Amino acid sequence: GQNIDQPTEMTATEGAIVQINCTYQTSGFNGLFWYQQHAGEAPTFLSYNVLDGLEEKGRFSSFLSRSKGYSYLLLKELQMKDSASYLCAVRVTNAGKSTFGDGTTLTVKP
Amino acid sequence: KAGVTQTPRYLIKTRGQQVTLSCSPISGHRSVSWYQQTPGQGLQFLFEYFSETQRNKGNFPGRFSGRQFSNSRSEMNVSTLELGDSALYLCASSPDRNTGELFFGEGSRLTVL
Repeated sequence: GQNIDQPTEMTATEGAIVQINCTYQTSGFNGLFWYQQHAGEAPTFLSYNVLDGLEEKGRFSSFLSRSKGYSYLLLKELQMKDSASYLCAVRVTNAGKSTFGDGTTLTVKP
Repeated sequence: KAGVTQTPRYLIKTRGQQVTLSCSPISGHRSVSWYQQTPGQGLQFLFEYFSETQRNKGNFPGRFSGRQFSNSRSEMNVSTLELGDSALYLCASSPDRNTGELFFGEGSRLTVL
């Protein structure tokens, strides 16, 4: 099966940089996704990594190391609206499903 | 392009009843998956449908079932409801099984009394 670990909670200051880590154990790896979920809302897609390395998208970047089973999401120039839960998810080849971590609740303070 | 639509958004049931939830995926998306989200368990995979066939099922009892229609719309059913079934049920669609991110609906929040 799959096992995904990420910190439960993190706190950061507006304007700062925060890194949310995710480790996973899986067979048939077919991509790692990061989703953002604000309270009471549906998760929305942030980033996708299938090859090792860094993917940058505006203030958000995501890194993947398949050999280490490790990813991180980097959020720069934090804004209050970035306060949300960040979900790490792994997709498995030919399984048609993504397995999610429990999410990291990020609180951005002024 | 319309997003994923789930109905109903909120519902209250009592123990022993059954419930049917509906999901209309984004037009052209053929893969529909369902997740249960609770504060203590996070997002748990229920099942995935593709081309009207259940392709994968999570670790849930047989009381949880679903189906997909020829237009890719999907329904899930929970019979003999238990208090522990209270949760947010999220439907997600994607173009196919192995590529692309998931697009989630707003969810159906079920409360079992």
